[in-house]
Amino acid sequence: AQKITQTQPGMFVQEKEAVTLDCTYDTSDPSYGLFWYKQPSSGEMIFLIYQGSYDQQNATEGRYSLNFQKARKSANLVISASQLGDSAMYFCAMREGGRGSTLGRLYFGRGTQLTVWP
Amino acid sequence: SQTIHQWPATLVQPVGSPLSLECTVEGTSNPNLYWYRQAAGRGLQLLFYSVGIGQISSEVPQNLSASRPQDRQFILSSKKLLLSDSGFYLCAWRQQAGNTIYFGEGSWLTVV
Repeated sequence: AQKITQTQPGMFVQEKEAVTLDCTYDTSDPSYGLFWYKQPSSGEMIFLIYQGSYDQQNATEGRYSLNFQKARKSANLVISASQLGDSAMYFCAMREGGRGSTLGRLYFGRGTQLTVWP
Repeated sequence: SQTIHQWPATLVQPVGSPLSLECTVEGTSNPNLYWYRQAAGRGLQLLFYSVGIGQISSEVPQNLSASRPQDRQFILSSKKLLLSDSGFYLCAWRQQAGNTIYFGEGSWLTVV
């Protein structure tokens, strides 16, 4: 089974509107971390936001927030007030084990291509 | 602050030729280091990871290899490239007890 599922291959949003990118995950480990990365056309993978499995509150970083619903195993990314520069591929990822886990490897979804139009 | 660099940024190599991609991290010590590959239209696949000098673990059997000759240097190599080795290669690092994995700029490899 896939550990990370992103069901939206592409999303379109108008500038200044909010958009939600979906992500569901699958793990039996009680300790895990969830990440969102942005990959513009240049290819660089840019870290956006992190949510730990034991965090009580949803993570926020500027215009990015993570809607964490543990029971549903979902970790959707919400981008508020979209900007043209937000157009990029967005990847959801998961790390199993606590922050001190030796490996710290990430499992990635296939990504969602976000297009922001004027 | 910590930074990560990898090179070359773009590479076109003939089938059967060798490969060497290099990655260095600055501003930290004893990081965990990773090599990922991203095929066109797909997510990232972990190829190798290292928790210390000379310690390399492979996730996927293939004709690629990795080495860590120094604490903050990670090298991806191949003796003979295959067409299927084409893709976007990303080096990444994480502090030993840190949460986040940070990526380099990536290297585009085309095997012709």
